[in-house]
Amino acid sequence: AQSVTQLDSHVSVSEGTPVLLRCNYSSSYSPSLFWYVQHPNKGLQLLLKYTSAATLVKGINGFEAEFKKSETSFHLTKPSAHMSDAAEYFCVVSPFNTDKLIFGTGTRLQVFP
Amino acid sequence: GAVVSQHPSWVICKSGTSVKIECRSLDFQATTMFWYRQFPKQSLMLMATSNEGSKATYEQGVEKDKFLINHASLTLSTLTVTSAHPEDSSFYICSANPRGWAQYFGPGTRLLVL
Repeated sequence: AQSVTQLDSHVSVSEGTPVLLRCNYSSSYSPSLFWYVQHPNKGLQLLLKYTSAATLVKGINGFEAEFKKSETSFHLTKPSAHMSDAAEYFCVVSPFNTDKLIFGTGTRLQVFP
Repeated sequence: GAVVSQHPSWVICKSGTSVKIECRSLDFQATTMFWYRQFPKQSLMLMATSNEGSKATYEQGVEKDKFLINHASLTLSTLTVTSAHPEDSSFYICSANPRGWAQYFGPGTRLLVL
């Protein structure tokens, strides 16, 4: 069975400092992995998607994630946090050959001025 | 592109009544849509896969008679919560995948059952 584990339920950073949101996955096959962001009272927005094309995936708003098969990780990073980055972030895996999504438990990112 | 809308955005109803939530793909056709449920400060749980012109596929533990799904056209799927009770209060979200790349989500419908 496929699953994702988000290692931190809350992450707090100061504006301008790097962001690291951790995600580990479990998959029998080469997975499709995603990061979505959910701002308060808004719908989920796709940040980026990993396929097998490249291990370093660049997304929107300066975010990127690196797929590390040896560590079964897909951590999300951003060099410099902005106040507008404060939101809930979900690491998501899609089982092989389906459109279904399996969500992690989410990481709430707080950004302090 | 790839806009998914939901209506209503929020609804309050009395216990025992039924509530219908619409999910529309505005700029693409969707043979498949997905319905999720999200409890406060929790993750999204897939409830069912809505298939245009055929029966929905429900995830384990989801009552199909409680959560009726109809996908009558390529741009509209509806979720009806029948005989709603306070424990059905939640945030319901739909999604669709327009080009086989990724799911695009609607803004969600917040249901409060009194």
